[in-house]
Amino acid sequence: GAGVSQSPSNKVTEKGKDVELRCDPISGHTALYWYRQSLGQGLEFLIYFQGNSAPDKSGLPSDRFSAERTGGSVSTLTIQRTQQEDSAVYLCASSLKGLVGYTFGSGTRLTVV
Amino acid sequence: TQLLEQSPQFLSIQEGENLTVYCNSSSVFSSLQWYRQEPGEGPVLLVTVVTGGEVKKLKRLTFQFGDARKDSSLHITAAQPGDTGLYLCAGEDSNTGKLIFGQGTTLQVKP
Repeated sequence: GAGVSQSPSNKVTEKGKDVELRCDPISGHTALYWYRQSLGQGLEFLIYFQGNSAPDKSGLPSDRFSAERTGGSVSTLTIQRTQQEDSAVYLCASSLKGLVGYTFGSGTRLTVV
Repeated sequence: TQLLEQSPQFLSIQEGENLTVYCNSSSVFSSLQWYRQEPGEGPVLLVTVVTGGEVKKLKRLTFQFGDARKDSSLHITAAQPGDTGLYLCAGEDSNTGKLIFGQGTTLQVKP
């Protein structure tokens, strides 16, 4: 597609439930990133996929968080047993190795009640 | 751990004033990028600086990369209400390509 697409755009879930957030990167982009952003704050790195290399999971805040990227394209970020502190906007971005600059999606606003 | 310190965190000015946002780190980055984000949207890339000492201009915005590639500044001349938004700097790790973001500067330009 023309841009990075994220779904859903908004998600309200009850504490303790699992959620899945989806990211469709720009076609052909080999790198995909997940970030988390609290209201009015900067971006917190979560996980990074680059081609067929093992993902960099160093930013995942706990073992309740996991992500996968199937076929080098679509990625899913899963949060198990959600907590209120997981409430934030989750942003996905993609880029093409060798070119600078990320293209971001509009994010998924997650609210845990 | 690489960190980027961005200042100020919040800036409220009148239309027509000038301002500068700073982004500082003790780490060297292969490039430094500036993004602007509006509410409900993802960040949008404004500029990338790669060479130490590099200066880039984008209309009323001037971006500078420090000689040692550890810091950067964004200067806006004659700010307009349309410049309102969250400005983010991000340094690219030369080994992994991962972007490390600063905490952002929220700019409000009042008419």
